[in-house]
Formats: sequence, C-alpha cells, structure tokens
Amino acid sequence: AQSVAQPEDQVNVAEGNPLTVKCTYSVSGNPYLFWYVQYPNRGLQFLLKYITGDNLVKGSYGFEAEFNKSQTSFHLKKPSALVSDSALYFCAVREGDGNKLVFGAGTILRVKS
Amino acid sequence: DGGITQSPKYLFRKEGQNVTLSCEQNLNHDAMYWYRQDPGQGLRLIYYSQIVNDFQKGDIAEGYSVSREKKESFPLTVTSAQKNPTAFYLCASSIQAGKETQYFGPGTRLLVL
Repeated sequence: AQSVAQPEDQVNVAEGNPLTVKCTYSVSGNPYLFWYVQYPNRGLQFLLKYITGDNLVKGSYGFEAEFNKSQTSFHLKKPSALVSDSALYFCAVREGDGNKLVFGAGTILRVKS
Repeated sequence: DGGITQSPKYLFRKEGQNVTLSCEQNLNHDAMYWYRQDPGQGLRLIYYSQIVNDFQKGDIAEGYSVSREKKESFPLTVTSAQKNPTAFYLCASSIQAGKETQYFGPGTRLLVL
C-alpha cells in the first residue's frame, strides 16, 4: 500500500528566504505525486503535480517541487518566501492507475516578516 | 462560475441523529470523493464514486453512507453509528478517477452538541 511521510510538523522561515517542505513516499509502482495548500477553515488548493517527465515541476504561486526517484522524495520549494505563503501544506501520492489519493499528515509553514 | 460547493459551512448534530452534508459540482467531473480531516492526521478517504450510480468504500466508511444519483451531486450522510463525527469534511472531484487532479470544495465543519 502507498504511504506518504511529511517529517516536519512545522517549518519556520524568514520572509525573502528560500523554503523547503519535505515529503517522502512509498509505492509499489510508478507514483503520481501532488502538493496542496490549505488556509484556515478552507478547502485544499492544488499547487502542482508530478506524473512523468521532467523531475522539476513548476506550479502555482512560484512553488516548485523536485521528484527524486532514488530517494523517493518530492520536496516542495520556493526561492523567496512570502508571509502570505503561511499555511498548511499537504503532500499526496496516487499509485499508478489506482483510485485512491493518500495524504501526508501535513506541514505548517510559518513565514515571518 | 465553475467549482465545487459544500453546504452548510457548519453543521451541528445531536446524539442519535443522522445528518447529511451536501456536495455539488458544475465542472462536469465524473469522479467525486469525500474525505475527513482531523488535526494532525491529514485527510482520510471515506467514500468515492467513479461514475453515476456507483460508489466504493474508502478507508473509513463505517458510520457513513453516500449516494450518487446525479453526476453533479454526491451527498454524504453521517449516521448515528459514527461515534466520533466531529471533524472537517471535504468533498473533491476529478475529471476521472485515476491520475487526474482532484479539486476540493470549501469544506463543512461538523460539531456534536
């Protein structure tokens, strides 16, 4: 069965500094990987996904993520953090053509000015 | 304006009462999903539907029921058998089940009186 780990409950970063939110996964086939962001009392917003192709995926709001097959990781990155990036971030994985999306526990990102 | 709507935003349930959460989408998506979100646990899949008049149990279906009589609607009933219903409930849809991106509604917060 597939699984996702987000090893950090919270990440703190100063505005203007680069940020990284970590995600590792476990699947038996080819992974389809997703990042979502959630603001308080709101639904999840899609940021980006990796299906196949280039290992560096660019998404919404200046975010990008790098797929690393050997390390089974899909870390979310942004070159320069904004205070408005402060939110809860979820990594998710779907295994091949399966119908289920499995989510990590989430990482709170706090960007301080 | 296309999207996914959920109602109500807040819902209160009394002991022994069944309550129904609404989810409607006008995106012409075939697949729809219900997730439960609890603090620190990420999202867990309750039920999903790949097509009208068909649905499958997710990881935590006990105490819940669904129907899919129309393509645009996927209501979730929280029955009295669900002993710990307090949570944030999120509905999602995708063009098809499988590798397509899931898009989320704004959520319904269910509280027990």
